[in-house]
Amino acid sequence: EVQLVESGGGLVQPGRSLRLSCTASGFTFGDYAMSWVRQAPGKGLEWVGFIRSKAYGGTTEYAASVKGRFTISRDDSKSIAYLQMNSLKTEDTAVYYCTRGWYFDLWGRGTLVTVSS
Amino acid sequence: EIVLTQSPATLSLSPGERATLSCRASQSVSSYLAWYQQKPGQAPRLLIYDASNRATGIPARFSGSGSGTDFTLTISSLEPEDFAVYYCQQRSNWPPRFTFGPGTKVDIK
Repeated sequence: EVQLVESGGGLVQPGRSLRLSCTASGFTFGDYAMSWVRQAPGKGLEWVGFIRSKAYGGTTEYAASVKGRFTISRDDSKSIAYLQMNSLKTEDTAVYYCTRGWYFDLWGRGTLVTVSS
Repeated sequence: EIVLTQSPATLSLSPGERATLSCRASQSVSSYLAWYQQKPGQAPRLLIYDASNRATGIPARFSGSGSGTDFTLTISSLEPEDFAVYYCQQRSNWPPRFTFGPGTKVDIK
């Protein structure tokens, strides 16, 4: 089955770090760019960042709101994309989704990150 | 930064009626515009990409049009499962950025 499954969410204090994982199955993970998108409770969608496929350099881009604090990486041998989140703020509280490709044609179910003291 | 505006914020319609949703960009996005549907408690689902191309498995009652700054998502005849929130999204090439609109909620009248 073609799917993405996020994991690693939870409750974390402001200023701390958390790493999310996105495990892919059913398709050739290494062929695709992967993005992270978040949704604060009751709010709309916000693009967080993406990582290109290795064929396009495996480089990353980030939204201004997370640049310098969040890092996206990938392990094509395991079909996993990661989102390392440092210096977390209360406003980072959201459901975090990983998505596939330039057109976001496949989404995981999301993992909830709550930043609170 | 390109800003997307969606109207109306809420659209109240009955099953069988036609829904017309608008998305306007603050500057031209060419045809790099997508539409997503999101139901409560679920992840978004891609409906339309590059302004007018239906994604795999999307029913023909969904159609997209427009280019430049003005785009429209049309649902020709609403089915009960179509009541949801719809987001438009643009992709800029350099620097690569993705922006979502604030969403239009289609609810049952």
